[in-house]
Amino acid sequence: DSGVTQTPKHLITATGQRVTLRCSPRSGDLSVYWYQQSLDQGLQFLIQYYNGEERAKGNILERFSAQQFPDLHSELNLSSLELGDSALYFCASSGRAPSTDTQYFGPGTRLTVL
Amino acid sequence: AQTVTQSQPEMSVQEAETVTLSCTYDTSENNYYLFWYKQPPSRQMILVIRQEAYKQQNATENRFSVNFQKAAKSFSLKISDSQLGDTAMYFCAFMKQPTRNQFYFGTGTSLTVIP
Repeated sequence: DSGVTQTPKHLITATGQRVTLRCSPRSGDLSVYWYQQSLDQGLQFLIQYYNGEERAKGNILERFSAQQFPDLHSELNLSSLELGDSALYFCASSGRAPSTDTQYFGPGTRLTVL
Repeated sequence: AQTVTQSQPEMSVQEAETVTLSCTYDTSENNYYLFWYKQPPSRQMILVIRQEAYKQQNATENRFSVNFQKAAKSFSLKISDSQLGDTAMYFCAFMKQPTRNQFYFGTGTSLTVIP
């Protein structure tokens, strides 16, 4: 158990809908990262937050947005969903000493868009 | 831009044997971190081993060790005494330091341990 939690575990929705994925980082971690893993592909970095502020942005679509709240949990919002958005979405966190650079991953949220 | 290449899409090894997974990367950075993560069928991403680029000594974690060749930009993972539980997808990842933000992942190597 990495200490990172993600809800829900599975999500099935229809095209055009909007969903919210939630992540709680490990205790003491200030950074949260979001990744997308499509079928049989590697992980694509979407976005990073550090202590509530956006720190880095990767290949995140304009239909997607994220935020980190004062209690450090994060939410990834996906809107106007398309079939191609079906994927496993991972959250990771880092920042707690001594391995401040290592990212610890949550179990992922599997999104299926029908 | 940073790129990470894993040239072996699939590999297999007999139980109790040793296997080496390859990873090369391209960067102009001098300070960075390298990681190996495994993703078993459960799809959980599990840290296997990490290496700081400024350290010449290769990292070791029990049956897992790396061969880090900074000049060649190579970072291979050796698994000794392979076990059935090692069956997984293995991803090599690179992270710049000190920005310490995103990982750049390779496309993965699917390892199957054969009983």
